[in-house]
Amino acid sequence: DQQVKQNSPSLSVQEGRISILNCDYTNSMFDYFLWYKKYPAEGPTFLISISSIKDKNEDGRFTVFLNKSAKHLSLHIVPSQPGDSAVYFCAASGGAQKLVFGQGTRLTINP
Amino acid sequence: NAGVTQTPKFQVLKTGQSMTLQCAQDMNHNSMYWYRQDPGMGLRLIYYSASEGTTDKGEVPNGYNVSRLNKREFSLRLESAAPSQTSVYFCASPRDPARTEQYFGPGTRLTVT
Repeated sequence: DQQVKQNSPSLSVQEGRISILNCDYTNSMFDYFLWYKKYPAEGPTFLISISSIKDKNEDGRFTVFLNKSAKHLSLHIVPSQPGDSAVYFCAASGGAQKLVFGQGTRLTINP
Repeated sequence: NAGVTQTPKFQVLKTGQSMTLQCAQDMNHNSMYWYRQDPGMGLRLIYYSASEGTTDKGEVPNGYNVSRLNKREFSLRLESAAPSQTSVYFCASPRDPARTEQYFGPGTRLTVT
């Protein structure tokens, strides 16, 4: 029972364009959502988060959008840079600081 | 300030052997977590510890035991390793005790043959 789903295993985007990574969840008790970025042979690093009381959170080139009615969130990266090439995980929390992760999306930024 | 450290970085075991993965955090936080990452599966929670002396099962606890001996250290033990436990293991602790974001260690890549 996958409570958090990232249906696109991979995404390829041209440098300078917008990257949009998507994530769906099924558990309506989730009230906090996060995106992590992971390079090979390293641990995941926190990127950006959003509370369920908001529908948008922005941090520099990164914006996360939350659509509670659709149980969907997305991460927008504008403009995309070569250093953004990594695996991106979305995660959700329903309390106790426990996280449930999606399967990940491998983003490749092409020059 | 190293954050979260894990040892070893790599390990190869034969089926049936045992080993302990070590994790330490210097952020003085109460909560610590063990995850495994497998291709196409994301990160799955094995065990977590909300405070010193307490541990709870996560999503995939079978085949593992944990010990939270003090606030700083949280170890994961495989008593009898199986090939299905080949994975990358990550330890994590919150960046801020009042927040949900977790800070991850560099990982241990374990292969069981």
